[in-house]
Amino acid sequence: DGGITQSPKYLFRKEGQNVTLSCEQNLNHDAMYWYRQDPGQGLRLIYYSQIVNDFQKGDIAEGYSVSREKKESFPLTVTSAQKNPTAFYLCASSFGTVGGQPQHFGDGTRLSIL
Amino acid sequence: AQSVSQHNHHVILSEAASLELGCNYSYGGTVNLFWYVQYPGQHLQLLLKYFSGDPLVKGIKGFEAEFIKSKFSFNLRKPSVQWSDTAEYFCAVTSYDKLIFGTGTRLQVFP
Repeated sequence: DGGITQSPKYLFRKEGQNVTLSCEQNLNHDAMYWYRQDPGQGLRLIYYSQIVNDFQKGDIAEGYSVSREKKESFPLTVTSAQKNPTAFYLCASSFGTVGGQPQHFGDGTRLSIL
Repeated sequence: AQSVSQHNHHVILSEAASLELGCNYSYGGTVNLFWYVQYPGQHLQLLLKYFSGDPLVKGIKGFEAEFIKSKFSFNLRKPSVQWSDTAEYFCAVTSYDKLIFGTGTRLQVFP
């Protein structure tokens, strides 16, 4: 079955540590996205990529970094510069640009600070 | 900048009651509109979408939404809810090459 796989499901980070969240899709989608979901705040866009080797900052990119070396993969690194990283992180993908195409979502990764 | 408002943060209903969840966006012009649903323990999935044409859109599981351009609204409706509709519902609107999500409405349906 085609879909989006996020790993791990739960992740713990120590203060000052960088952690990387994995997102893989086998839907042959061009565009991929990372969102952060906090209670009462909905989904906020961190980074997105419309094509391999290209990505753009979303609304809350500070303290995060991404790469898009392969069409199928869009890992997110939460750096030590992100002061409030505890949240639920969602990866999504879509054909082409978001304007005309709905997004498909993964099951998410819950990140907590030790 | 485009923004999306979902005024109902938490809705509690009994089974068979009718449902209407509000969604308003701030910027006019051509927009694409979506409702997504997140059932407990499951990933976000598309409920319905509006791109153009008939402003009354039908989605999965008996849901529908009406696009009213003059009111910048895209409210979600269901005539008779079921316990299995318990979930969080998100409205989303396109803004250039991004999706802007509302803060979500948590729906609890009791038998």
